[in-house]
Amino acid sequence: NAGVMQNPRHLVRRRGQEARLRCSPMKGHSHVYWYRQLPEEGLKFMVYLQKENIIDESGMPKERFSAEFPKEGPSILRIQQVVRGDSAAYFCASSLAGVRTDTQYFGPGTRLTVL
Amino acid sequence: LAKTTQPISMDSYEGQEVNITCSHNNIATNDYITWYQQFPSQGPRFIIQGYKTKVTNEVASLFIPADRKSSTLSLPRVSLSDTAVYYCLVGDGNAGNMLTFGGGTRLMVKP
Repeated sequence: NAGVMQNPRHLVRRRGQEARLRCSPMKGHSHVYWYRQLPEEGLKFMVYLQKENIIDESGMPKERFSAEFPKEGPSILRIQQVVRGDSAAYFCASSLAGVRTDTQYFGPGTRLTVL
Repeated sequence: LAKTTQPISMDSYEGQEVNITCSHNNIATNDYITWYQQFPSQGPRFIIQGYKTKVTNEVASLFIPADRKSSTLSLPRVSLSDTAVYYCLVGDGNAGNMLTFGGGTRLMVKP
């Protein structure tokens, strides 16, 4: 049973370009979460999605960032007009159900570098 | 928001038992305590979760006293491969499903 998959693993963008990060949850999981981690820090929650719905986006920056989880295909985290401060590791997690005690399984992350 | 406090770093030697304690004085009645492990350049990996008393699985044990204001992750007979950052997480019942990560404890296992 494949785990959470993320691609690309590494992404380099110049300032002003767009970054698209993809996440395929574990088989059977319909709940997806995105987190961002700066060097030497813990992960920070960004957004929680179910199929076709954004449930909680309280951790998402108001501008330039968006996320979706379509009925078919992976979840996408999109960052428009990237700036150097967006450089970080972005992790996706998935869970089977949406209850608070449900285990979240993390992917390997996408490391975004903005030049 | 329940906040956790854990040591920034710990050192140990192969074969020893390691206990990492986390303080969470403001834990809410419906909060569970969860521990994750993270290796460099990898995503966090779930270790164990508990609500009260003691929980044990094939990897670790989790001890939670009656007042639940702290918890202790116990790793038996650590090896070099247990060198990682360990995060203690306590949920906020009003914060939905997000996980709130603190700074974690960097465990260094030496030969």
